[in-house]
Amino acid sequence: QVQLVQSGAEVKKPGASVKVSCKASGYTFTSYGISWVRQAPGQGLEWMGWISAYNGNTNYAQKLQGRVTMTTDTSTSTAYMELRSLRSDDTAVYYCARDSRGIAARPHDYWGQGTLVTVSS
Amino acid sequence: QLVLTQSPSASASLGASVKLTCTLSSGHSSYAIAWHQQQPEKGPRYLMKLNSDGSHSKGDGIPDRFSGSSSGAERYLTISSLQSEDEADYYCQTWGTGIRGVFGGGTKLTVL
Repeated sequence: QVQLVQSGAEVKKPGASVKVSCKASGYTFTSYGISWVRQAPGQGLEWMGWISAYNGNTNYAQKLQGRVTMTTDTSTSTAYMELRSLRSDDTAVYYCARDSRGIAARPHDYWGQGTLVTVSS
Repeated sequence: QLVLTQSPSASASLGASVKLTCTLSSGHSSYAIAWHQQQPEKGPRYLMKLNSDGSHSKGDGIPDRFSGSSSGAERYLTISSLQSEDEADYYCQTWGTGIRGVFGGGTKLTVL
C-alpha cells in the first residue's frame, strides 16, 4: 500500500533552517511528484511547492521563493523540504502529498502524517 | 484567477445526510476538484476526485456513504447516514496544467 512517512517534530529558533523528510513506499517513486502543504495552528491548508521525482523540476509558491528548497533522493524514495530564515509564523504542521510528475497536476491522493515545526526563541 | 469557495461551517444530525459545497471561480466551471477530510488532530485524507460531469473516483477504503456530484461551477460532497467520526474539516482542492495548490478555505462539519 502507498505510504508517505515523514520525519519527526522539530523546534527551531528564529533565523534557523529546518529540513523535513518524506519517505515514500508502495509505488514507483519516480512516476510521481511530491507537493508540500503546511497548516498553521487553526488555519487552512497552504500549498508550498512541488517537486517532480522524475526529473527534479520544482515549482514554489511565490511567497516562499528564496527561502524554500525541495529535493528528492531517488535511491531511497525520499523527498525533502528545507525552509530557511525561519520566522514565528512558519510554525505549522508540514505535510507531503503525492502529486503528478509533470506539468499536468493531479489531486493529492496520499498524504504523509505531518511534521510539526515550532519556531520559538 | 482560480479560486475555490467553501462555507466555513455546516451541521447535521447523527444518522442524517449533509451536502457540502465547493464553488469554482468564474470561468473555471469545467475543472475537476478533489475532496479531502481532516479529522481533529489528524492529517488530511483523500476522499475523491470529482469531475465536472459529476463522475467521481474515490480513494482507498472510502465508504459508500460519501458521494460527489456537480452542477455548473458547484461541486458537492454528500455524506449520508452521518456518524460521529464524520465530524471533521472538509477541504476541496483543484489544479490545472501548471497550476497547483489551490485549496478552498475548508468547511467545519459538526455532527449534532
